[in-house]
Amino acid sequence: AQSVTQLDSQVPVFEEAPVELRCNYSSSVSVYLFWYVQYPNQGLQLLLKYLSGSTLVKGINGFEAEFNKSQTSFHLRKPSVHISDTAEYFCAVKGGSEKLVFGKGTKLTVNP
Amino acid sequence: DAGITQSPRHKVTETGTPVTLRCHQTENHRYMYWYRQDPGHGLRLIHYSYGVKDTDKGEVSDGYSVSRSKTEDFLLTLESATSSQTSVYFCAISEGLAGGNEQFFGPGTRLTVL
Repeated sequence: AQSVTQLDSQVPVFEEAPVELRCNYSSSVSVYLFWYVQYPNQGLQLLLKYLSGSTLVKGINGFEAEFNKSQTSFHLRKPSVHISDTAEYFCAVKGGSEKLVFGKGTKLTVNP
Repeated sequence: DAGITQSPRHKVTETGTPVTLRCHQTENHRYMYWYRQDPGHGLRLIHYSYGVKDTDKGEVSDGYSVSRSKTEDFLLTLESATSSQTSVYFCAISEGLAGGNEQFFGPGTRLTVL
């Protein structure tokens, strides 16, 4: 079975600062990893996903994530955030044909 | 955007009443899912469907039932709503279950049980 731990429930940052949202996973099989974003009062939208190949994955809105198999991590980063990045971010893991398992979410607040 | 709609978008009901939430897709995807989202819990899978009349339980299925009589519609029923079922409910769809099949999410239904 898979599990996901998002290490920070809330991350406040100032506009134009870099940000890293941390995600660790556990799985007994090879995994596929996802980051979703949820803007206020909306559904979830895929930011990026890791399936195989390059461990550095680029997504929408300038976000990227790095898959680290030895650390079982998939941290999300952005070099310079905007007010519009304020949202809740969910890391999710999927092993083979298993169902998607979500972390509890990290609320990113970007302050002016 | 994936063609997924949920109805109603908001509902307030009383304890003990039956409630049905509807998810409708226009993408002809095989898999459909119902999740609930609660603060501090992220998204938890209630039930999912892998075809017409084919459904299975998720992590938090107690108190919920589902039906899928057409590819495009997936219904979630609370037979007798309780206050613990106050939540935001999301429907999702995917083409398949294997590999990196992305799930696409609907806009959500906010349910309040008084």
